[in-house]
Amino acid sequence: QSALTQPASVSGSPGQSITISCTGTSSDVGGYNYVSWYQHHPGKAPKLMIYDVSNRPSGVSNRFSGSKSGNTASLTISGLQAEDEADYSCSSYTSSSTLFVFGTGTKVTVL
Amino acid sequence: QVQLQESGPGLVKPSQTLSLTCTVSGGSISSGSYYWSWIRQPAGRGLEWIGRIYTSGSTNYNPSLKSRVTISVDTSKNQFSLKLSSVTAADTAVYYCAGVYCTSISCRRWFEPWGQGTLVTVSS
Repeated sequence: QSALTQPASVSGSPGQSITISCTGTSSDVGGYNYVSWYQHHPGKAPKLMIYDVSNRPSGVSNRFSGSKSGNTASLTISGLQAEDEADYSCSSYTSSSTLFVFGTGTKVTVL
Repeated sequence: QVQLQESGPGLVKPSQTLSLTCTVSGGSISSGSYYWSWIRQPAGRGLEWIGRIYTSGSTNYNPSLKSRVTISVDTSKNQFSLKLSSVTAADTAVYYCAGVYCTSISCRRWFEPWGQGTLVTVSS
């Protein structure tokens, strides 16, 4: 089971919007509405930002939104803020015996 | 609010067994409301799901690691554990424990909560 493909890095200025893509296959991203997104800061527990493609947990800013088209899911951060600088990973449920597959990870830099 | 904390040796010699424990606080590990997973991230690479255990003891493992992995639960200590045998440098990673919430009908398809992770280096 191959990892989901994400861009290694994405950057933007404060206030701008950025989008992180997460590309898989019809066996994972394209086959299920079970894509989630996580924010990692070094030394801290990963934080759930989006679940089931486009749902935000309580307490997550509405500047974060998720979507999916075909085999590619996306995370958009609007009104970029310095605190958004972190690594972001996507995950999808998969029909393979691996059960869950993660993305390669994207480092977001706020310029 | 359930919280998780990993613990264990930060350095393991090649060919030996890596052993980590995840302590669950803020709730009972045997409540049946969660299943428990281990996930790792080698430096510069993406996350990799290792496996999961239900409080019944039922397990599922990543096929790529299945022959070397054992996940177990100790309800008396409110902990679950990971053992990875015959380790090599390729097993050097930050290891996370995480929970997935379940109802009587189904389980969610996302991980929350997570521990903060622990770095394990495989080196002689």
